[in-house]
Amino acid sequence: QVQLQESGPGLVKPSETLSLTCAVSGGSISTTNWWSWVRQPPGTGLEWIGEIYESGTTNYNPSLKSRVTISIDKSKNQFSLKLSAVTAADTAVYYCARVVGSGSYMDSWGQGTLVTVSS
Amino acid sequence: QSALTQPASVSGSPGQSITISCTGTSSDVGSYGSVSWYQQHPGKAPKLMIYEVDKRPSGVSNRFSGSKSGNTASLTISGLQAEDEADYSCSSYAGRRIHYVFGTGTKVTVL
Repeated sequence: QVQLQESGPGLVKPSETLSLTCAVSGGSISTTNWWSWVRQPPGTGLEWIGEIYESGTTNYNPSLKSRVTISIDKSKNQFSLKLSAVTAADTAVYYCARVVGSGSYMDSWGQGTLVTVSS
Repeated sequence: QSALTQPASVSGSPGQSITISCTGTSSDVGSYGSVSWYQQHPGKAPKLMIYEVDKRPSGVSNRFSGSKSGNTASLTISGLQAEDEADYSCSSYAGRRIHYVFGTGTKVTVL
């Protein structure tokens, strides 16, 4: 059973860049799956941020595309998220998840990490 | 892109059945057989309950079932139990530009 674990700063200042990493264990990141980031602002619903394939191919939410970069490090079995020019609206719990390639659904999730944007 | 529309809350007594709707458009729910449902207890990560409209992952109770008609998908929980009290969100593939949209979320309360 694959497990995912997010890590990164819990507090980011406005206009700076949010950086998170998702470590994958119990399986290789080099599989026929996509690896995704999803966030959930306090008291609201889930929002898809973007995804990456083991080849490095990425897809991003059009509403965040100009600020998002997702990368993969196969040697460390992990993938990362960078979100630039953050504002208070980017305060959320950030989850990493595995997307089953053939079915477009997320079958394994990290526990989530709260990132607060505040000075 | 807009989030899929779900009722804010649904409640039921133990043993009853409830249904949560998830309304999208012809560009997402109506076009693809890639609707999934997630259960989320407070402070916990989402858990996949239904995928590809009506399939259950191994280990998920058969009290959970999914269906779709037109632009609306539904999750039915039969034989409601106290442990089912949680937030439920739907998701749909929405094409190569938007990829995934989630629902607004529904809080299920067991009375």
